[in-house]
Amino acid sequence: LAKTTQPISMDSYEGQEVNITCSHNNIATNDYITWYQQFPSQGPRFIIQGYKTKVTNEVASLFIPADRKSSTLSLPRVSLSDTAVYYCLVARMDSSYKLIFGSGTRLLVRP
Amino acid sequence: DVKVTQSSRYLVKRTGEKVFLECVQDMDHENMFWYRQDPGLGLRLIYFSYDVKMKEKGDIPEGYSVSREKKERFSLILESASTNQTSMYLCASSLGLDGEQFFGPGTRLTVL
Repeated sequence: LAKTTQPISMDSYEGQEVNITCSHNNIATNDYITWYQQFPSQGPRFIIQGYKTKVTNEVASLFIPADRKSSTLSLPRVSLSDTAVYYCLVARMDSSYKLIFGSGTRLLVRP
Repeated sequence: DVKVTQSSRYLVKRTGEKVFLECVQDMDHENMFWYRQDPGLGLRLIYFSYDVKMKEKGDIPEGYSVSREKKERFSLILESASTNQTSMYLCASSLGLDGEQFFGPGTRLTVL
């Protein structure tokens, strides 16, 4: 299963767009990609999920290039409350079910 | 509002003790999961269950067992706790295996 690699940390300012990229070089045809957000003392919370191309919801966009070896979570116009740890997850559902979380990207949004 | 609850937020146990971590979900989800979370390692899947009395090993099942006697409840058992099992334990549930997982707040277990 694809090993996922993310930057350890990122800094941004309020109002900016933030893009967090996750590398998953060995991703397979049936693997799908999910991103979670985690605040201190809480469990992770689902942000967005995709398989290919682009997915958008009310809080984020997910860009997945054609080769699917990476994915980028895009947070438009971040606020202080977006300060959190962001995890990408690559999951496989075939004869064996496998979940591989990245080690997380700590995003700090400054005023 | 969907909810996953875990029996304790903090737990301190001694080496060799048998430890039970309980998780309850109120969403009638088929699937439930146990993870441990350690600094720099992200979340690692210990076990999951896709139905009552059904369980599958995750990536790090050694030293753990699970029980799912009722749909809403999934228990993680440390048969003989060791210091290297000191960690944050997270429970989650989902409707489909490929769907959004809903997480509990976590249990921080310290084994002395």
